[in-house]
Amino acid sequence: QVQLQESGPGLVKPSQTLSLTCSVSGGSVSSGPYYWSWIRQPAGKGLEWIGRIYTSGATNYNSSLKSRVTISFDTSKNQFSLEMTSVTAADTARYYCAREISSWDAFENWGQGTMVTVSS
Amino acid sequence: QSALTQPASVSGSPGQSITISCIGTHNDIGGYDYVSWYQQSPGKPPRLLIYEVTYRPSGVSHRFSGSKSGNTASLTISEVQPEDEAVYVCASSASGSTSYVFGGGTSLTVL
Repeated sequence: QVQLQESGPGLVKPSQTLSLTCSVSGGSVSSGPYYWSWIRQPAGKGLEWIGRIYTSGATNYNSSLKSRVTISFDTSKNQFSLEMTSVTAADTARYYCAREISSWDAFENWGQGTMVTVSS
Repeated sequence: QSALTQPASVSGSPGQSITISCIGTHNDIGGYDYVSWYQQSPGKPPRLLIYEVTYRPSGVSHRFSGSKSGNTASLTISEVQPEDEAVYVCASSASGSTSYVFGGGTSLTVL
């Protein structure tokens, strides 16, 4: 059974870059009918899709975040990462990584999430 | 992309059936049969209940069912049980399947 685990700083200063990593076990990020996504959820609010990376390395991003977001692989470590630049308090949220089954276009596996607070 | 529209809350008594609606547009729900539903309990990540409008992953109770008509998707929970209390979130592919959009979530209270 695949497992995902997010890691990264819990506190980021405004205008700086948020960097998170998702470590995957029980499956390879570079093979299979899967997409690998980042999703976030501000406290008490709904889910927001940030973007995905395909096993080919191609990416899709939420149009509202596209100018600030990069998702990439580190296949040697079986990880994928999120970088978000120029963060503000509005980026404070719990960040989840998730595996999407391509033919389902649905997220079957999720990490537990990591809380990121943007504050000086 | 705009979020899908769900009622903030629904309630039901044990044994009843409840239905949660999810309203989108022709750019998401109306344009694709890639509607999914998730159950989220406090402090936990979402759990996939329904994919491709009507299909249940292995291990999901048959009491959960999905449907779609036009730009509106629905989740029905039959024989509601106290352990079903959670937030239910709809989602859909959008923009030629290069994007994804979630609903705001519906809190289910079992009276």
